[in-house]
Amino acid sequence: GAVVSQHPSWVICKSGTSVKIECRSLDFQATTMFWYRQFPKQSLMLMATSNEGSKATYEQGVEKDKFLINHASLTLSTLTVTSAHPEDSSFYICSARAEDQPQHFGDGTRLSIL
Amino acid sequence: RKEVEQDPGPFNVPEGATVAFNCTYSNSASQSFFWYRQDCRKEPKLLMSVYSSGNEDGRFTAQLNRASQYISLLIRDSKLSDSATYLCVVRSNSGYALNFGKGTSLLVTP
Repeated sequence: GAVVSQHPSWVICKSGTSVKIECRSLDFQATTMFWYRQFPKQSLMLMATSNEGSKATYEQGVEKDKFLINHASLTLSTLTVTSAHPEDSSFYICSARAEDQPQHFGDGTRLSIL
Repeated sequence: RKEVEQDPGPFNVPEGATVAFNCTYSNSASQSFFWYRQDCRKEPKLLMSVYSSGNEDGRFTAQLNRASQYISLLIRDSKLSDSATYLCVVRSNSGYALNFGKGTSLLVTP
């Protein structure tokens, strides 16, 4: 079945560090990738939608300068949390879909900022 | 009002019990409906899609009532391995992004 790989799975960093998370579709070309964030005991919240070769579309309340998304190829999207602070600590999950196919989720990245 | 609302539970049931989860959604233009399962500290995994005619997959039965904007999931003969959080998920007709409920926690005990 379709596989989406997310790396790293767990990050612990000091406040002020920038953190890059990678999302790869391993066996299909993803026309669209999505980035979600989930705080403890909360639902997954969509942060942004990313189409290959174009700028990401951010949801209301998500700072595009804070959360940089690059979708340079049909198999790779990256999310960079710039100058991360403790309030950015969360579970970040990507998903990817091919044309007319359901979304497949990555394993998620648990980000802890000290 | 949240787009997708679920009773957070937790539901504690003995093995073999039947348990039902409910979900309501606010956007009447929503087109696709799903139940996902999420284990602790893991990514969500698709359990089943939900169709207007109702659909069944083994011990799991899903129902959709578009008029009431209501979705349900029934689990029969609960197993210990069913313990997880069940997420009600709705996709609107604009784009492919998914709207997740907060999830309903299920704990199946021996």
